[in-house]
Amino acid sequence: GDSVTQMEGPVTLSEEAFLTINCTYTATGYPSLFWYVQYPGEGLQLLLKATKADDKGSNKGFEATYRKETTSFHLEKGSVQVSDSAVYFCALSDRSDYKLSFGAGTTVTVRA
Amino acid sequence: DVKVTQSSRYLVKRTGEKVFLECVQDMDHENMFWYRQDPGLGLRLIYFSYDVKMKEKGDIPEGYSVSREKKERFSLILESASTNQTSMYLCASSPTGEAGANVLTFGAGSRLTVL
Repeated sequence: GDSVTQMEGPVTLSEEAFLTINCTYTATGYPSLFWYVQYPGEGLQLLLKATKADDKGSNKGFEATYRKETTSFHLEKGSVQVSDSAVYFCALSDRSDYKLSFGAGTTVTVRA
Repeated sequence: DVKVTQSSRYLVKRTGEKVFLECVQDMDHENMFWYRQDPGLGLRLIYFSYDVKMKEKGDIPEGYSVSREKKERFSLILESASTNQTSMYLCASSPTGEAGANVLTFGAGSRLTVL
């Protein structure tokens, strides 16, 4: 079945550092890809998405590009802030239904 | 502001008790979902529903059931709670649109501890 593998954490960074979280997927078709973020004490919220190959999703300074040739959707941010401390989840959705399959999550801590 | 509201943020129950987790959304969404979140395992889908009175099993339905009598409300039921059901439970909803491309809106979660 469809699945998502993302890099294990935790990841600890200093403010203004560059962040990359790797995500690869396995799918039989052409899924839509998502990054969700969970801030401490809150529910998950959509960070960005891409629905077809070579699409780039972006939001709040984060970017991810849908790479069909490498089945990847890596999340990047050029200069992180303390407020970016959260758990980040990569997810995919098969176009045949509305379900999402999630990765294990990566905990990111940014120190001042 | 659109919302998915889960009735209890924290619950402590004993083994064998029947547990109800309630979820209400005010966005008129057709689709509703229950996930559980465990460290290192991410989110796993328990049950979902595409319409009132409809339900579909997710990846880990054993030990759970659901009820959707009204469009806005989706309840998760643990008939006889066990310690391995200690977890964070997340409810989500989404509209019917382009399948695979729509976005889930999540509640804040219900943390259940079974003693």
